[in-house]
Amino acid sequence: AQKITQTQPGMFVQEKEAVTLDCTYDTSDQSYGLFWYKQPSSGEMIFLIYQGSYDEQNATEGRYSLNFQKARKSANLVISASQLGDSAMYFCAMRVNQAGTALIFGKGTTLSVSS
Amino acid sequence: DSGVTQTPKHLITATGQRVTLRCSPRSGDLSVYWYQQSLDQGLQFLIQYYNGEERAKGNILERFSAQQFPDLHSELNLSSLELGDSALYFCASSVAGVREKLFFGSGTQLSVL
Repeated sequence: AQKITQTQPGMFVQEKEAVTLDCTYDTSDQSYGLFWYKQPSSGEMIFLIYQGSYDEQNATEGRYSLNFQKARKSANLVISASQLGDSAMYFCAMRVNQAGTALIFGKGTTLSVSS
Repeated sequence: DSGVTQTPKHLITATGQRVTLRCSPRSGDLSVYWYQQSLDQGLQFLIQYYNGEERAKGNILERFSAQQFPDLHSELNLSSLELGDSALYFCASSVAGVREKLFFGSGTQLSVL
């Protein structure tokens, strides 16, 4: 069975600092995708970044980068130069290449950025 | 704006009642997914439809059902509601493929009193 684990319920960081949000996954499939979403207090789910299991380079999107370590089955999100607006819940998710294509989500990590 | 429309935004009802949540996917997206978000269970996948056909089932209760219509909009029906069904229900849509992200609607906040 596929599983996503986020072990940090909450993280605290100061503005302009970098922060790493941890995510480990479990799957026996060779082809899969890993996603990070942000959920601010307003409730919407915002896509941040994607990493494919066969992608040779770590994904980057602006201030977001994904530290993908396939052998360790980890896909940590790195946010550089944190901003107050980064305060939100962050979810790691996985999709495997099976008949169904739904994303499986972790429990999430609450990030609080202070000035 | 994700392009996914969910109605209503808020719903307050009583135990034992039945409600219908509606979702219009992004133009061109054939897949529709329903998720339930609660404090204790997190984001749980309920069910997926692809071009009108059920594609995958997650942790969906027997009291819940869904369908996707020819115009690709989808409805999630929740019946015999219990207090524990109070949650934020998300609809999401995507094109097919393992690399394709899900676009989420703004959700329907269901409160069962």
